[in-house]
Amino acid sequence: ETGVTQTPRHLVMGMTNKKSLKCEQHLGHNAMYWYKQSAKKPLELMFVYSLEERVENNSVPSRFSPECPNSSHLFLHLHTLQPEDSALYLCASSQVQGADGYTFGSGTRLTVV
Amino acid sequence: LAKTTQPISMDSYEGQEVNITCSHNNIATNDYITWYQQFPSQGPRFIIQGYKTKVTNEVASLFIPADRKSSTLSLPRVSLSDTAVYYCLVGDGGLTGGGNKLTFGTGTQLKVEL
Repeated sequence: ETGVTQTPRHLVMGMTNKKSLKCEQHLGHNAMYWYKQSAKKPLELMFVYSLEERVENNSVPSRFSPECPNSSHLFLHLHTLQPEDSALYLCASSQVQGADGYTFGSGTRLTVV
Repeated sequence: LAKTTQPISMDSYEGQEVNITCSHNNIATNDYITWYQQFPSQGPRFIIQGYKTKVTNEVASLFIPADRKSSTLSLPRVSLSDTAVYYCLVGDGGLTGGGNKLTFGTGTQLKVEL
């Protein structure tokens, strides 16, 4: 357990479904992140929340919708996904400013059928 | 954010020392160098971080020359369980503004065999 908990660990959804990924941290961090990792590709930064405010949205399709209700929780709402969205979705947290690095969760393995 | 270059893959045997070198020619004065380890289907895990000279912890050492344009992660006496992807990243942790953002490259796939 890393201190960042992601649920569910695995998710299979159809293209017309709506689902949400959840991330929770109790490390006292005030920044949270969503990354996407497709097979044999580098991690891609999707969204950054700093002090509960979205500060970065890296040209992510609108079928991905993040939500950060407080500094400990982060959600990624999914709707009408495509098969190419199948990937490992990783949540991370850190201090807004600090060179201590990120703490990652174990990820959600998403399969879109 | 400074770009990093590291070998795509490395092979080793159990009990050997493994050194993975990363180039970061455009590293900025305020940047730290951080290494992460990632196992399949898991999130990356922080290994070690340094600014200059040598840093050692219970799992690895990090060597940084005076010009800081490269760094070497040293894993002593590797075992099969050290088979993973190792990422080298540089960044200032948002200390000079711009947010604490990390950009991952392709990393180095280390394979340890018996």
